[in-house]
Amino acid sequence: GENVEQHPSTLSVQEGDSAVIKCTYSDSASNYFPWYKQELGKRPQLIIDIRSNVGEKKDQRIAVTLNKTAKHFSLHITETQPEDSAVYFCAAIPTGFQKLVFGTGTRLLVSP
Amino acid sequence: SQTIHQWPATLVQPVGSPLSLECTVEGTSNPNLYWYRQAAGRGLQLLFYSIGIDQISSEVPQNLSASRPQDRQFILSSKKLLLSDSGFYLCAWSSQYEQYFGPGTRLTVT
Repeated sequence: GENVEQHPSTLSVQEGDSAVIKCTYSDSASNYFPWYKQELGKRPQLIIDIRSNVGEKKDQRIAVTLNKTAKHFSLHITETQPEDSAVYFCAAIPTGFQKLVFGTGTRLLVSP
Repeated sequence: SQTIHQWPATLVQPVGSPLSLECTVEGTSNPNLYWYRQAAGRGLQLLFYSIGIDQISSEVPQNLSASRPQDRQFILSSKKLLLSDSGFYLCAWSSQYEQYFGPGTRLTVT
């Protein structure tokens, strides 16, 4: 079955810097890759996603890139702000399956 | 638009007591439904998922069970809670790809 690895587990940056979180997946049949942001005590919120027929997707300060050959995808946050501090989870879903496989999460801390 | 509800928001229960958590979805039909548990500071553990009424798959063997008596209602139950059942319980729904989480129930077993 699918296995998703996420790195780093923690990431500390200064406000205004960029942050990159990377995930690798094992099942080449996976075709959908969402990213979730979870603030302390809150539910995970879907912030961006990408399908396997697209290499990159942007939404303001966040972007996701997908390399199908290498089976990895990354979340890029530019001009980080303190409110970006949260735990970020990546996930993948193989074609024909009904459930997401999540990474273990990255705790991002943005210092003012 | 779609909305997902969970209740209660918080719950404190003694070891050995029963549990019932409810989740309902509005604004969509025949959603896939999911129960996750998140221990403090940890990741998301999928407990159950359902693709239709009375169609439920269990991901981990444990003292929990799930039921889906109606299309947009998903219930998580236990006959006897363990200390290790403490955590943040999240219900989620999806129609095809995108998955959305409910507000969660924070359960403390004492």
